[in-house]
Amino acid sequence: DGGITQSPKYLFRKEGQNVTLSCEQNLNHDAMYWYRQDPGQGLRLIYYSQIVNDFQKGDIAEGYSVSREKKESFPLTVTSAQKNPTAFYLCASSIGWIDTEAFFGQGTRLTVV
Amino acid sequence: AQKVTQAQTEISVVEKEDVTLDCVYETRDTTYYLFWYKQPPSGELVFLIRRNSFDEQNEISGRYSWNFQKSTSSFNFTITASQVVDSAVYFCALSVGGSQGNLIFGKGTKLSVKP
Repeated sequence: DGGITQSPKYLFRKEGQNVTLSCEQNLNHDAMYWYRQDPGQGLRLIYYSQIVNDFQKGDIAEGYSVSREKKESFPLTVTSAQKNPTAFYLCASSIGWIDTEAFFGQGTRLTVV
Repeated sequence: AQKVTQAQTEISVVEKEDVTLDCVYETRDTTYYLFWYKQPPSGELVFLIRRNSFDEQNEISGRYSWNFQKSTSSFNFTITASQVVDSAVYFCALSVGGSQGNLIFGKGTKLSVKP
């Protein structure tokens, strides 16, 4: 079935360690996104990519890094520079840019202790 | 600046009641798109509807209906005869043209439908 797969669903890391969240899609979508969700908050954009080998910072990119080497993959690295990394992370993709809906993965809940 | 406001943080209703979720948006762009998403307890966001700024027709899909009014910058969502399975967090989102090609989300409204 087509869709977006995020792994793992739950992730625990010690403070000071970098961690990479996986996002894979088989929808043949050009655009991919990473959002962060905190309790009682909406989704905030971390990074987005409109096309392979290109990505742009979103509203809260500090402490995060991404790569887009393949169309179907958009991994997110949470670095030790991210001051408050514990959150729910959602990956999404869309076939178009402004005017089409985004499809979301099931999310990764990251807990840093 | 672009912004989406969902003033209702939480709503609780009894099954079969009708419920309306409010969404107010701000943008200076004349071309924009509005969305509603549902987030069930499992976590993924499920797309419900998309509306562009030039189409103010209301839309009905089963028990769901949406009222888009540019005059008040609102895009409200009504569930008729609510069911327990409607319990979720609902997000309204705005997408505009230009370099900021991303979804700007409201903070969401948590809907609890009790049997």
